[in-house]
Parts: sequence; structure tokens; C-alpha cells
Amino acid sequence: NAGVTQTPKFQVLKTGQSMTLQCAQDMNHEYMSWYRQDPGMGLRLIHYSVGAGITDQGEVPNGYNVSRSTTEDFPLRLLSAAPSQTSVYFCASSYGPRPQGAGEKLFFGSGTQLSVL
Amino acid sequence: GESVGLHLPTLSVQEGDNSIINCAYSNSASDYFIWYKQESGKGPQFIIDIRSNMDKRQGQRVTVLLNKTVKHLSLQIAATQPGDSAVYFCAENKENSGYSTLTFGKGTMLLVSP
Repeated sequence: NAGVTQTPKFQVLKTGQSMTLQCAQDMNHEYMSWYRQDPGMGLRLIHYSVGAGITDQGEVPNGYNVSRSTTEDFPLRLLSAAPSQTSVYFCASSYGPRPQGAGEKLFFGSGTQLSVL
Repeated sequence: GESVGLHLPTLSVQEGDNSIINCAYSNSASDYFIWYKQESGKGPQFIIDIRSNMDKRQGQRVTVLLNKTVKHLSLQIAATQPGDSAVYFCAENKENSGYSTLTFGKGTMLLVSP
């Protein structure tokens, strides 16, 4: 099983460039999310989706867009990259959100290390 | 604001010792907590979880203790091995307009010496 797959693993951008970080899961999970991880800051939620066609903002959504057209894919778009967006990005999924009673156990991808110069 | 924090940023132990990693949380409404392990260059990996109606839960070599009175969570690792060296995160579940999101602590690095 592939689980959660993120591409690319590494990316270098110039300020102002746009790009899309890809995330796909093959576990038929309803819930998908994006986190960024910075030194000393832990993991911070950017955006999340509770199902196809439904997205919502997390703790640090500014500068990022998401969409969820299929259950499997949840791309993260940087519209105009800034040095402050240099970070490691993790996509995660789980069977379902609460309060439906589904498990909250998140499965993480291996991350995308992004540098914005 | 509400936050999940850790008491110690780095914990160094000898192989075979028991390790205890602590976590404080501030949201008394949180009712679900998870511990994750993150090895270098990898994504976080689920270790164990606990719901607020429990005080203790045991897994293989790991035990999570929850003290709701003082809003404290701990992860105990028995007979720590070099392969346990990683960063450990606690996370709490927060309800947001009917959907849950996880808020992570900043992490504790566990270093195990042979």
C-alpha cells in the first residue's frame, strides 16, 4: 500500500513564483490536511478537507490555496511564494473527522522540503 | 491562547532505561490525545492515543498517562532502544465547527545512547 504520497520531495523557488505541492492517498480517507513544520514551531495546520468539495482553513492559511475535487487528491497551491513559506510541508489523511465517530489517527506523507529564495 | 506544550525539548537516556516524555495542554475541552514519533527526514508516525475518559492506555513498550486534573499527558517508553531516538509530539483534538483538527506540541527530541 502506498499510503500518503507527496511530490516533490524537494523544491526551490524564487520569491513570487507559484507552484503546487501534490498529495494523494489510496486509503479512501475522507479527511485530508496540510501542515507546515518549522524549527521550534511544531506542526501547524494550513488547510484541511473533510471530503470531496469541502475545504476549510486551519491555523496558518494565508498564502495558500487548496481544492478537493476527488477523494484521493488534495493539492496545496502557493500563489506567490515568499521566503516566509520556506518550510517542510506534510500532507496527512484519516478515515474521517469527528463527530461521526471515525478515528482521528492521521497518516502522514514523507514531506516536501520547500525553500523560497 | 490554547496550546499544547512540552516540558523538555531534549531527553537523553541510556539504552535499556525507561523514558518519560511529558506534555501539558491547556484546552480543557479536548477529549482525544495522540502521541506521534518523527524520525529524521520522515513524516510523523502514530504511536498511541487516548481518550479523555481514560487515565491510562498501554501499547507495545509504550504507555500513555492522562491527568485531566492538571492537564498533563505523558508517554512512557519501556526499555528504550536506539531505534526509539526521534522527536516525539503530543497532539490534542479540537472541535472546529463540528469537525476535528489536531493541534500539535513543539516536540521533544529523545536521544538514546548505546
